[in-house]
Amino acid sequence: GAGVSQSPRYKVAKRGQDVALRCDPISGHVSLFWYQQALGQGPEFLTYFQNEAQLDKSGLPSDRFFAERPEGSVSTLKIQRTQQEDSAVYLCASSLGLGTSNYGYTFGSGTRLTVV
Amino acid sequence: GDSVTQMEGPVTLSEEAFLTINCTYTATGYPSLFWYVQYPGEGLQLLLKATKADDKGSNKGFEATYRKETTSFHLEKGSVQVSDSAVYFCALNNAGNMLTFGGGTRLMVKP
Repeated sequence: GAGVSQSPRYKVAKRGQDVALRCDPISGHVSLFWYQQALGQGPEFLTYFQNEAQLDKSGLPSDRFFAERPEGSVSTLKIQRTQQEDSAVYLCASSLGLGTSNYGYTFGSGTRLTVV
Repeated sequence: GDSVTQMEGPVTLSEEAFLTINCTYTATGYPSLFWYVQYPGEGLQLLLKATKADDKGSNKGFEATYRKETTSFHLEKGSVQVSDSAVYFCALNNAGNMLTFGGGTRLMVKP
């Protein structure tokens, strides 16, 4: 598609519920990134994929967070047993280049997750 | 570790005023520096970038110069418009796979 598409746009989850957030990157983009943006803060890195390989997951805050990109295109970020501190906007970005952002990322509009 | 510090907002200006948003960074080596803009309801968009010391990035009337001696990358625009109202993020990439962002600065431009 023309841009990075994320769904759902908004998600309200009860504490303890599992959620899955989807990212459709720009077709042909090799690199895919997930970021977490808390209210009033800058985005923080979660994880990075190069094609289907998850090369960096150092930013995932706990083992309740899991991301996959099985065919090197669409990616899903899953959060198990959601907690209130998981409430944030989850941003996906893709890039034509490998790894570093000197090629420039294209960000999606994000999924706003609210845990109640 | 790497970090980026931005001036806190909101910054409120009248149309045609001069804009400066301060950004300083802490990083080892020679990072690349970026400014991203987030308009209401939209994703982050790359505004400009600079990849080495003394480089000046520019776009849409905005400019920022990579100052290694002061570890700064301040964003400037000579005459802001109402349409420039948004949140601006300074960020760096230090030869890794990720961007490190500052906390963002909200700009509000009044007619």
